[in-house]
Amino acid sequence: GAGVSQSPRYKVAKRGQDVALRCDPISGHVSLFWYQQALGQGPEFLTYFQNEAQLDKSGLPSDRFFAERPEGSVSTLKIQRTQQEDSAVYLCASSPSGGAAEQFFGPGTRLTVL
Amino acid sequence: AQSVAQPEDQVNVAEGNPLTVKCTYSVSGNPYLFWYVQYPNRGLQFLLKYITGDNLVKGSYGFEAEFNKSQTSFHLKKPSALVSDSALYFCAVRDFYNQGGKLIFGQGTELSVKP
Repeated sequence: GAGVSQSPRYKVAKRGQDVALRCDPISGHVSLFWYQQALGQGPEFLTYFQNEAQLDKSGLPSDRFFAERPEGSVSTLKIQRTQQEDSAVYLCASSPSGGAAEQFFGPGTRLTVL
Repeated sequence: AQSVAQPEDQVNVAEGNPLTVKCTYSVSGNPYLFWYVQYPNRGLQFLLKYITGDNLVKGSYGFEAEFNKSQTSFHLKKPSALVSDSALYFCAVRDFYNQGGKLIFGQGTELSVKP
């Protein structure tokens, strides 16, 4: 079956530009997570949705980062006024529920800010 | 705070030899532990998890992991390494102090299997 998909796969932005990253989770998955993975590091949590409700945004590094999931399926991570330190791979993951269920990851979007 | 540590940045193994990728954890309460593998330019693929029960967990591609509560470890193992196992491996613990149970990852260990 279809896994988690993300688009675009690669994004180059000039410093100060706004970007939008899309995540299509596995159909029916209630939970959706965004992670940021810097080069040579493990992924770090950004935010979590249960259906359309954003229940945890404690990992968002600044108010330039904004995420939404308006209909409880597709999610968009938006970064305003991008900075060079935003350069990273942004990973989306979905899960059928909380608890012990594993998270299924998309291929990621590699963002490079020049 | 919950955390995991992967003490080795890189592990080198000859094809056909057994491999071990180390992970230690620090949690309050019972841990939910996971191993993921990441190939270049791809997302993370789930290998296995420990929730409760048998301390030896079997997963995908012939991998297994041993949960050791006294040593707070969850090492990933495979009896006979393949060149195709070369990749980046991440240990993670589920954080239940925040809603949704986000994953907290280690820094990763790069496994290199030589023919």
